[in-house]
Amino acid sequence: AQSVTQLDSQVPVFEEAPVELRCNYSSSVSVYLFWYVQYPNQGLQLLLKYLSGSTLVKGINGFEAEFNKSQTSFHLRKPSVHISDTAEYFCAVVFGGAGSYQLTFGKGTKLSVIP
Amino acid sequence: GAGVSQSPSNKVTEKGKDVELRCDPISGHTALYWYRQSLGQGLEFLIYFQGNSAPDKSGLPSDRFSAERTGGSVSTLTIQRTQQEDSAVYLCASSLPATDTQYFGPGTRLTVL
Repeated sequence: AQSVTQLDSQVPVFEEAPVELRCNYSSSVSVYLFWYVQYPNQGLQLLLKYLSGSTLVKGINGFEAEFNKSQTSFHLRKPSVHISDTAEYFCAVVFGGAGSYQLTFGKGTKLSVIP
Repeated sequence: GAGVSQSPSNKVTEKGKDVELRCDPISGHTALYWYRQSLGQGLEFLIYFQGNSAPDKSGLPSDRFSAERTGGSVSTLTIQRTQQEDSAVYLCASSLPATDTQYFGPGTRLTVL
């Protein structure tokens, strides 16, 4: 079955420290990969996406992610976090590539930035 | 331009009542999606509309759930005879063609007492 796993449900990190949020998926088909952020009581905002091309993608707010096909991973990184990055982060995958559309989400990772 | 809007933002209802949730997609977006976010199940796909094609209803959890999209724009998600397990945040998203980036609305928080 196709699934998305976010290994850490909660990640505390000190302000200005680096952070990595992990995402793995299980599938042998083509994938499109996304990271969304959700601030309290708000909808989902797109951080970045991988559709094709360079495996290192840069997004908003200084975040980046790298697609690793052999490890079926799409980990999200930021070299220096701010208090305002405190939010829940969701990895999402469209399985099957072109013509597919249904987003399958991971369970989310709550990032807490400590002053 | 304006993003995806949803109404109401919050809805409290009694068990057994029917509810209607509304979604206004981004102008020009041909694809529209409904998802549900609940504590136990996380984010789940419910239904997908693309233009005039028949919708993909494969994610609807029961026949109490239905949705329509009028004029290729506004969509309404209807839940009949609500149950407590229907309590969740219902998110709407829209995109240009399918497989393009989905843009999400703020959601409707449904509480069934």
